[in-house]
This record gives sequence, C-alpha cells and structure tokens, in this order.
Amino acid sequence: GAGVSQSPSNKVTEKGKDVELRCDPISGHTALYWYRQRLGQGLEFLIYFQGNSAPDKSGLPSDRFSAERTGESVSTLTIQRTQQEDSAVYLCASSLLKRYEQYFGPGTRLTVT
Amino acid sequence: DQQVKQNSPSLSVQEGRISILNCDYTNSMFDYFLWYKKYPAEGPTFLISISSIKDKNEDGRFTVFLNKSAKHLSLHIVPSQPGDSAVYFCAASDGSGYALNFGKGTSLLVTP
Repeated sequence: GAGVSQSPSNKVTEKGKDVELRCDPISGHTALYWYRQRLGQGLEFLIYFQGNSAPDKSGLPSDRFSAERTGESVSTLTIQRTQQEDSAVYLCASSLLKRYEQYFGPGTRLTVT
Repeated sequence: DQQVKQNSPSLSVQEGRISILNCDYTNSMFDYFLWYKKYPAEGPTFLISISSIKDKNEDGRFTVFLNKSAKHLSLHIVPSQPGDSAVYFCAASDGSGYALNFGKGTSLLVTP
C-alpha cells in the first residue's frame, strides 16, 4: 500500500522567504509527526497531531514555524522568514493512534541560501 | 541535551560476521526503545523494538538487548549482509507514545 509521501523532495530558498512543506500520511493513521534532521544530528521532534485534538507544538524551535493538519489527512509545515539554520531534512511520520512504530516519509531536503 | 547517544558514528563489518550497534540513554523515564534503519534519500524504517520490562527481543537476524541498570541497549545483526549497510538510529520514548528521542545514528558498512 501507499506509504507516507512528502513534497517537494528538495527545496532551495533564499534567506527570508517563506516555505511550505507537505505531508500525506498513510490512510487511516490518526497520528502524524514532523521531525527535522540537521546534518550530522539525530531526528529532532517538532510537532505531533492526533485526530482532532490540539497538536503538541512543544518541539517547534521558534514562532516562525507552524503546522496545520486537515482532519486525519494532509499536513503542511510552514517556515516563515527562513534562516540558514533552518537548512535540514524535514521528515514526516504517521502511526496508528499513539503506537510507537512510526512510518516515515522520504523527507524534504530544505536548503536556505 | 542529547538524551539518546550513539557514540560510534560508523562501523565496518565483514559479511557473515556479527554487527553490534550500541546506544546509551540518560533519561530513566524512557520505557520503550526502538531501532530504525535508514537508507540514503529515504525515511527511516522501523526495525525492532523492546519494552523496558524485557531485556531481549529477537526478530530473525536482529536482536536487541536492554540493560536498564546501565541505561544501555544494543542491536545485534547476525549474520551481517551487504544489504544491511545503512544508518541505524536508536530511539526512545518515555511513555507518552510520541515524540521519539533519537540518537545521531551509526553508519554500518557490511563488506563482502
């Protein structure tokens, strides 16, 4: 079946521009997560959505970062006024309820020049 | 601060031998541990997990060992195959069911 998909796969943007990253979770997965991985680092939790509950935004690094999710489907991560330190691979994952086994998408590689 | 640590950035093993990947953690509240495998340009894929009530979990060629007193876990791959060459991430959860804490990964190279 279809896995988690993300778009775009690569994004190069100028410092100060806004970017929007998209995630399509596995159908039926109620939980959705965003992580980022900077070069040479582990995955860093950003935000978690569970059904219609209020999202857990505790991992968002600054107010320039926001995310939305429409019901139990697509999610978008928006980064406003991008900075060079935002350069990373942004990974989306989904899971059934709060199961630990999260299924990851291929990621979006963001480069801020 | 890094609560999950993988101190070996890389490991090289000959095909057929055992690969041992190590992971240490600092948070005593962690009660569920997972290993993920990642190929280039792909997202991590779940490999194997272990609950803190166990000290060993086995799945085919993959075995995870947990030593709670030492806050240490390891992944054993026997026998290692060239297709196992990837980056392996250790992850842990404190029971909240999400927000996995990941290590920085260990790049495993299995040579023929």
